[in-house]
Amino acid sequence: DIQMTQSPSSLSASVGDRVTITCRASQGIRSSLAWFQQKPGKAPKSLIFAASSLQSGVPSKFSGSGSGTDFTLTITSLQPEDFATYYCHQYYSYPLSFGGGTKVEMK
Amino acid sequence: EVYLVESGGGLVQPGGSLRLSCAASGFTFNRYAMHWVRQAPGKGLEFVSAISSSDGSTYYASSVKGRFTISRDNSKNTLYLQMGSLRAEDMAVYYCAREDLGTTIDFWGQGTLVTVSS
Repeated sequence: DIQMTQSPSSLSASVGDRVTITCRASQGIRSSLAWFQQKPGKAPKSLIFAASSLQSGVPSKFSGSGSGTDFTLTITSLQPEDFATYYCHQYYSYPLSFGGGTKVEMK
Repeated sequence: EVYLVESGGGLVQPGGSLRLSCAASGFTFNRYAMHWVRQAPGKGLEFVSAISSSDGSTYYASSVKGRFTISRDNSKNTLYLQMGSLRAEDMAVYYCAREDLGTTIDFWGQGTLVTVSS
Protein backbone atom coordinates (compact mmCIF):
# COMPACT_ATOMS: atom_id res chain seq x y z
CA ASP A 1 0.00 0.00 0.00
CA ILE A 2 1.16 3.56 -0.72
CA GLN A 3 1.57 5.83 2.31
CA MET A 4 1.14 9.58 1.92
CA THR A 5 2.96 11.87 4.34
CA GLN A 6 2.07 15.54 4.56
CA SER A 7 4.04 18.27 6.26
CA PRO A 8 3.57 20.29 8.26
CA SER A 9 0.52 18.92 10.08
CA SER A 10 -0.43 22.50 10.92
CA LEU A 11 0.81 25.99 10.25
CA SER A 12 -0.07 29.52 11.26
CA ALA A 13 -0.19 32.22 8.63
CA SER A 14 -1.50 35.72 8.06
CA VAL A 15 -3.78 37.14 5.39
CA GLY A 16 -1.65 37.88 2.34
CA ASP A 17 0.97 35.24 3.10
CA ARG A 18 2.22 32.62 0.67
CA VAL A 19 1.85 29.09 2.03
CA THR A 20 3.45 25.84 0.86
CA ILE A 21 2.41 22.35 1.91
CA THR A 22 4.36 19.26 0.99
CA CYS A 23 3.27 15.70 0.40
CA ARG A 24 5.49 12.66 -0.04
CA ALA A 25 4.47 9.27 -1.38
CA SER A 26 6.10 6.09 -0.10
CA GLN A 27 6.64 5.02 -3.71
CA GLY A 28 6.44 6.66 -7.10
CA ILE A 29 2.96 7.66 -8.19
CA ARG A 30 3.85 9.60 -11.35
CA SER A 31 1.49 12.58 -11.36
CA SER A 32 -1.52 10.78 -9.88
CA LEU A 33 -1.88 13.24 -7.04
CA ALA A 34 -4.83 15.39 -6.00
CA TRP A 35 -5.35 18.09 -3.38
CA PHE A 36 -8.55 18.73 -1.44
CA GLN A 37 -9.63 21.55 0.86
CA GLN A 38 -11.95 20.96 3.81
CA LYS A 39 -13.54 23.48 6.13
CA PRO A 40 -14.96 22.50 9.54
CA GLY A 41 -18.25 20.62 9.28
CA LYS A 42 -18.17 20.65 5.49
CA ALA A 43 -17.44 18.13 2.77
CA PRO A 44 -14.05 18.27 1.09
CA LYS A 45 -13.67 20.33 -2.06
CA SER A 46 -11.52 19.24 -4.96
CA LEU A 47 -8.77 21.72 -5.85
CA ILE A 48 -6.12 20.04 -8.00
CA PHE A 49 -5.71 16.82 -9.96
CA ALA A 50 -2.81 15.34 -11.91
CA ALA A 51 -0.49 17.11 -9.48
CA SER A 52 -0.82 20.53 -11.10
CA SER A 53 -4.17 20.87 -12.92
CA LEU A 54 -6.80 23.08 -11.34
CA GLN A 55 -10.33 21.79 -11.02
CA SER A 56 -12.91 23.94 -12.78
CA GLY A 57 -13.70 27.08 -10.83
CA VAL A 58 -10.68 26.92 -8.53
CA PRO A 59 -8.82 30.24 -8.40
CA SER A 60 -5.30 30.45 -9.75
CA LYS A 61 -3.89 31.39 -6.36
CA PHE A 62 -3.80 27.63 -5.79
CA SER A 63 -1.04 25.76 -7.59
CA GLY A 64 0.44 22.31 -7.41
CA SER A 65 3.69 20.81 -8.54
CA GLY A 66 5.75 17.65 -8.38
CA SER A 67 5.84 14.14 -9.73
CA GLY A 68 7.09 10.76 -8.61
CA THR A 69 7.20 10.93 -4.83
CA ASP A 70 7.38 14.63 -3.89
CA PHE A 71 4.61 17.16 -4.33
CA THR A 72 3.70 20.63 -3.17
CA LEU A 73 0.57 22.75 -2.87
CA THR A 74 1.12 26.50 -2.85
CA ILE A 75 -1.43 29.12 -1.93
CA THR A 76 -0.50 32.68 -2.75
CA SER A 77 -1.98 35.73 -1.06
CA LEU A 78 -3.84 33.81 1.64
CA GLN A 79 -7.37 35.08 2.22
CA PRO A 80 -9.74 34.45 5.17
CA GLU A 81 -11.68 31.85 3.17
CA ASP A 82 -8.48 29.84 2.63
CA PHE A 83 -8.07 28.92 6.29
CA ALA A 84 -8.94 25.24 6.21
CA THR A 85 -7.43 21.77 6.25
CA TYR A 86 -5.74 20.51 3.09
CA TYR A 87 -5.30 16.86 2.10
CA CYS A 88 -3.21 15.24 -0.60
CA HIS A 89 -4.49 12.05 -2.21
CA GLN A 90 -2.86 9.44 -4.43
CA TYR A 91 -4.95 7.70 -7.05
CA TYR A 92 -2.11 5.83 -8.71
CA SER A 93 -3.06 2.47 -7.27
CA TYR A 94 -5.60 0.81 -5.01
CA PRO A 95 -6.09 0.99 -2.14
CA LEU A 96 -6.22 4.75 -2.63
CA SER A 97 -4.79 6.82 0.21
CA PHE A 98 -4.78 10.30 1.68
CA GLY A 99 -2.22 12.32 3.55
CA GLY A 100 -2.91 13.11 7.18
CA GLY A 101 -3.89 16.70 6.44
CA THR A 102 -2.41 20.15 7.00
CA LYS A 103 -4.44 22.62 9.02
CA VAL A 104 -3.84 26.21 7.94
CA GLU A 105 -4.72 28.50 10.84
CA MET A 106 -4.80 32.24 11.22
CA LYS A 107 -1.81 33.69 13.03
CA GLU B 1 -25.15 20.90 -11.60
CA VAL B 2 -23.79 17.77 -9.95
CA TYR B 3 -25.58 16.61 -6.81
CA LEU B 4 -24.66 13.68 -4.58
CA VAL B 5 -26.98 13.10 -1.62
CA GLU B 6 -26.13 10.44 0.93
CA SER B 7 -28.65 8.81 3.24
CA GLY B 8 -28.95 5.81 5.51
CA GLY B 9 -26.61 6.80 8.30
CA GLY B 10 -27.58 6.48 11.93
CA LEU B 11 -26.95 4.68 15.18
CA VAL B 12 -26.14 0.98 15.02
CA GLN B 13 -24.87 -1.47 17.62
CA PRO B 14 -21.48 -3.13 17.29
CA GLY B 15 -21.82 -6.15 15.05
CA GLY B 16 -24.81 -4.66 13.29
CA SER B 17 -25.45 -3.75 9.66
CA LEU B 18 -26.38 -0.63 7.77
CA ARG B 19 -26.87 0.30 4.12
CA LEU B 20 -25.87 3.71 2.87
CA SER B 21 -27.26 5.19 -0.32
CA CYS B 22 -26.04 8.01 -2.52
CA ALA B 23 -28.50 9.53 -4.97
CA ALA B 24 -26.79 11.17 -7.93
CA SER B 25 -28.14 13.79 -10.29
CA GLY B 26 -26.93 16.38 -12.76
CA PHE B 27 -24.69 14.02 -14.73
CA THR B 28 -24.79 10.72 -16.63
CA PHE B 29 -24.30 8.43 -13.65
CA ASN B 30 -23.47 5.25 -15.55
CA ARG B 31 -20.40 6.86 -17.15
CA TYR B 32 -18.61 7.57 -13.88
CA ALA B 33 -16.78 5.51 -11.30
CA MET B 34 -17.91 6.25 -7.76
CA HIS B 35 -16.24 6.20 -4.36
CA TRP B 36 -16.99 6.06 -0.65
CA VAL B 37 -14.61 7.95 1.62
CA ARG B 38 -15.01 8.25 5.38
CA GLN B 39 -13.83 10.55 8.12
CA ALA B 40 -13.82 9.53 11.76
CA PRO B 41 -14.53 12.32 14.28
CA GLY B 42 -11.59 14.71 14.39
CA LYS B 43 -9.56 12.57 11.98
CA GLY B 44 -8.49 12.68 8.35
CA LEU B 45 -9.98 11.25 5.18
CA GLU B 46 -9.88 7.50 4.56
CA PHE B 47 -10.63 5.64 1.33
CA VAL B 48 -13.31 2.99 1.86
CA SER B 49 -14.38 1.61 -1.49
CA ALA B 50 -14.81 2.34 -5.18
CA ILE B 51 -16.73 0.88 -8.10
CA SER B 52 -16.00 1.30 -11.78
CA SER B 53 -18.48 2.61 -14.32
CA SER B 54 -17.91 -0.01 -16.95
CA ASP B 55 -17.31 -3.55 -15.76
CA GLY B 56 -18.42 -3.12 -12.16
CA SER B 57 -14.95 -3.72 -10.76
CA THR B 58 -14.83 -3.03 -7.03
CA TYR B 59 -12.04 -1.98 -4.69
CA TYR B 60 -11.88 -1.91 -0.91
CA ALA B 61 -9.68 -0.70 1.92
CA SER B 62 -8.19 -3.61 3.82
CA SER B 63 -9.99 -2.38 6.95
CA VAL B 64 -13.42 -3.05 5.43
CA LYS B 65 -12.76 -5.88 2.96
CA GLY B 66 -15.08 -8.80 3.61
CA ARG B 67 -17.44 -6.67 5.72
CA PHE B 68 -18.55 -3.93 3.30
CA THR B 69 -19.97 -4.26 -0.21
CA ILE B 70 -20.20 -1.45 -2.72
CA SER B 71 -22.77 -1.60 -5.51
CA ARG B 72 -24.63 0.65 -7.90
CA ASP B 73 -28.00 0.73 -9.64
CA ASN B 74 -27.54 2.73 -12.81
CA SER B 75 -31.27 2.64 -13.51
CA LYS B 76 -31.84 4.52 -10.26
CA ASN B 77 -28.68 6.68 -10.41
CA THR B 78 -27.82 5.41 -6.96
CA LEU B 79 -24.66 4.17 -5.26
CA TYR B 80 -24.80 1.90 -2.22
CA LEU B 81 -22.56 0.75 0.59
CA GLN B 82 -23.73 -2.30 2.50
CA MET B 83 -21.87 -2.37 5.83
CA GLY B 84 -21.80 -5.40 8.09
CA SER B 85 -20.07 -6.55 11.29
CA LEU B 86 -19.75 -2.91 12.25
CA ARG B 87 -17.12 -1.91 14.77
CA ALA B 88 -16.53 1.18 16.87
CA GLU B 89 -13.73 2.17 14.50
CA ASP B 90 -16.21 2.31 11.60
CA MET B 91 -17.90 5.30 13.20
CA ALA B 92 -17.45 8.20 10.82
CA VAL B 93 -19.03 10.55 8.33
CA TYR B 94 -19.29 8.64 5.06
CA TYR B 95 -18.94 10.66 1.87
CA CYS B 96 -20.02 9.62 -1.59
CA ALA B 97 -17.78 11.02 -4.31
CA ARG B 98 -17.66 11.04 -8.10
CA GLU B 99 -14.51 10.14 -9.99
CA ASP B 100 -13.94 12.29 -13.04
CA LEU B 101 -13.43 10.39 -16.25
CA GLY B 102 -10.05 8.72 -16.05
CA THR B 103 -8.72 10.81 -13.18
CA THR B 104 -9.82 11.27 -9.63
CA ILE B 105 -12.53 12.58 -7.33
CA ASP B 106 -14.03 15.84 -8.51
CA PHE B 107 -17.32 16.12 -6.62
CA TRP B 108 -18.31 15.16 -3.08
CA GLY B 109 -21.61 14.66 -1.32
CA GLN B 110 -22.34 16.26 2.04
CA GLY B 111 -21.87 13.04 3.96
CA THR B 112 -23.92 10.86 6.29
CA LEU B 113 -22.93 10.05 9.87
CA VAL B 114 -22.65 6.47 11.05
CA THR B 115 -22.48 5.99 14.81
CA VAL B 116 -21.52 2.58 16.17
CA SER B 117 -22.35 2.27 19.83
CA SER B 118 -24.23 0.07 22.26
